[in-house]
Amino acid sequence: AQRVTQPEKLLSVFKGAPVELKCNYSYSGSPELFWYVQYSRQRLQLLLRHISRESIKGFTADLNKGETSFHLKKPFAQEEDSAMYYCALSRSGYSTLTFGKGTMLLVSP
Amino acid sequence: KAGVTQTPRYLIKTRGQQVTLSCSPISGHRSVSWYQQTPGQGLQFLFEYFSETQRNKGNFPGRFSGRQFSNSRSEMNVSTLELGDSALYLCASSLGTASEKLFFGSGTQLSVL
Repeated sequence: AQRVTQPEKLLSVFKGAPVELKCNYSYSGSPELFWYVQYSRQRLQLLLRHISRESIKGFTADLNKGETSFHLKKPFAQEEDSAMYYCALSRSGYSTLTFGKGTMLLVSP
Repeated sequence: KAGVTQTPRYLIKTRGQQVTLSCSPISGHRSVSWYQQTPGQGLQFLFEYFSETQRNKGNFPGRFSGRQFSNSRSEMNVSTLELGDSALYLCASSLGTASEKLFFGSGTQLSVL
């Protein structure tokens, strides 16, 4: 069975500081990894997925199969980045997601 | 285009009752998935429907069931409600291909008293 672990419930940083939200997974096959974000009073929405290898709102994430990690990074945090971030995994060929429990990112001025 | 619509927004039920939640996907989307969100367990997958057929199922008891209609709208039913069923139930729609972006609704907040 697959599992996603986000070790930090809360990450608090100052504006302009680098951010790294950690995500580790366990899955015996080839996973598809995603980061979803939920801003205050908004719906859960996709931030990025590893197959696209894109940068969204300055965030990037690299899949490290050796360390089974998919950490989310941003060099300079902004106050508007404050939100709940969920790492998620789907088995190759499937669309259903296994979510981590989420990390709340708070960016202070 | 309109997003995923879930009704009702809030529900209060008592133990032993049953409840039906509704989800209207984005036009053209054929896959509808349901997730349960609780503070303790986080987001957990319930089931997925594609073209009126259940395609995947999570690890929930048989009291949780669903269906999908020909217009892709989906309903989720929970029978014999328990206090532990109190949660936010999220619906997500997509075209249904693998590794695809899911579009989530705002959810139905169910409280079981």
